[in-house]
Amino acid sequence: EAQVTQNPRYLITVTGKKLTVTCSQNMNHEYMSWYRQDPGLGLRQIYYSMNVEVTDKGDVPEGYKVSRKEKRNFPLILESPSPNQTSLYFCASRRDWSSYNEQFFGPGTRLTVL
Amino acid sequence: KQEVTQIPAALSVPEGENLVLNCSFTDSAIYNLQWFRQDPGKGLTSLLLIQSSQREQTSGRLNASLDKSSGRSTLYIAASQPGDSATYLCAVSPLKTSYDKVIFGPGTSLSVIP
Repeated sequence: EAQVTQNPRYLITVTGKKLTVTCSQNMNHEYMSWYRQDPGLGLRQIYYSMNVEVTDKGDVPEGYKVSRKEKRNFPLILESPSPNQTSLYFCASRRDWSSYNEQFFGPGTRLTVL
Repeated sequence: KQEVTQIPAALSVPEGENLVLNCSFTDSAIYNLQWFRQDPGKGLTSLLLIQSSQREQTSGRLNASLDKSSGRSTLYIAASQPGDSATYLCAVSPLKTSYDKVIFGPGTSLSVIP
């Protein structure tokens, strides 16, 4: 089944403790991205990647890092999480960088930073 | 700057009713518009993707239209069912950006009452 998977689905952590949220897609998509969703602010893009080893900042990149060493994986790294990073995070992918293609989303990761 | 709005923010209808959800965007220069469904605490499921050159797309009981010149899209749901209860999001891919980007509307929360 074609899908985007994320792990973990739920995470409660404390301020300053480094964490990684994994994202993987099995559709051989070139383009992947990370979003966060907050009440009243909607979905905002954090980082995106047009292909392996090619990443760039979205609207709200501060406090986040990403890497794209393999085509299928695009982990989101929070080096020193803070409470304002408590949010619902989504990974997405599409076939290539072209905006003509449909986006597919993962199930989401609900992160709470105490 | 491209902005996407959705009206109404929330809608409650009795089962069996036909309904229309609205999406407006401020800049008609877009690649495409995509409608998503989001169930509480879960990921986004793509419903319909309309390319800029198309007027409408249909999938089962769903029909989405696009009028680029007026900056509007509608999602028509026929014979609504309780299982249609969810938040519906529209998103546009603008042409005029320095990087690849998708802009989401705030969503319409739909409740279908049995």
